[in-house]
Amino acid sequence: GENVEQHPSTLSVQEGDSAVIKCTYSDSASNYFPWYKQELGKGPQLIIDIRSNVGEKKDQRIAVTLNKTAKHFSLHITETQPEDSAVYFCAASTVYKLSFGAGTTVTVRA
Amino acid sequence: EAGVTQFPSHSVIEKGQTVTLRCDPISGHDNLYWYRRVMGKEIKFLLHFVKESKQDESGMPNNRFLAERTGGTYSTLKVQPAELEDSGVYFCASSQGQGFGYTFGSGTRLTVV
Repeated sequence: GENVEQHPSTLSVQEGDSAVIKCTYSDSASNYFPWYKQELGKGPQLIIDIRSNVGEKKDQRIAVTLNKTAKHFSLHITETQPEDSAVYFCAASTVYKLSFGAGTTVTVRA
Repeated sequence: EAGVTQFPSHSVIEKGQTVTLRCDPISGHDNLYWYRRVMGKEIKFLLHFVKESKQDESGMPNNRFLAERTGGTYSTLKVQPAELEDSGVYFCASSQGQGFGYTFGSGTRLTVV
């Protein structure tokens, strides 16, 4: 089955700096790569996703890059704000089943 | 539109007892999924319904877990009898199409003591 590894497990950044989270996956058939943000007491919320036929996607301060050859994808958050503090999960999917990374706890220091 | 609703939000039960979790998906979403996060590890797939049919239950840990989706609307996940290792957060998600556009519920935190 698919194995997704996510690094780092914790990340502390100064407000205004950038945050980068990296994930690798094992199944070359995976073609959909969503990123989720989970705040305390809430479920994972989709913040951005990318399909295998695209190398990069951006939405305001958030961007995702995908390298299918190397089987890794990354989340970039620029100009971090306190409200970006949360747990972030990457995931990979072939058809309907999401395989998640273990999560990254991001803390933005004011 | 209303989101995915799960209840209870928290449940504390003793080992050997039975617990039933409920999930109300977004209206019109044929696809319903159960996932679980144990001990701060990754979120793992449990099973997938399309309408009332189980499409894939390969992630169910063992036969103490039973999921149903009668009538293709809400779903229940029963754990009987509960064991200590069943503790974790159980998430339900629904989608209109398969494999994308998931909306997750807030989860049920299950603690077995």
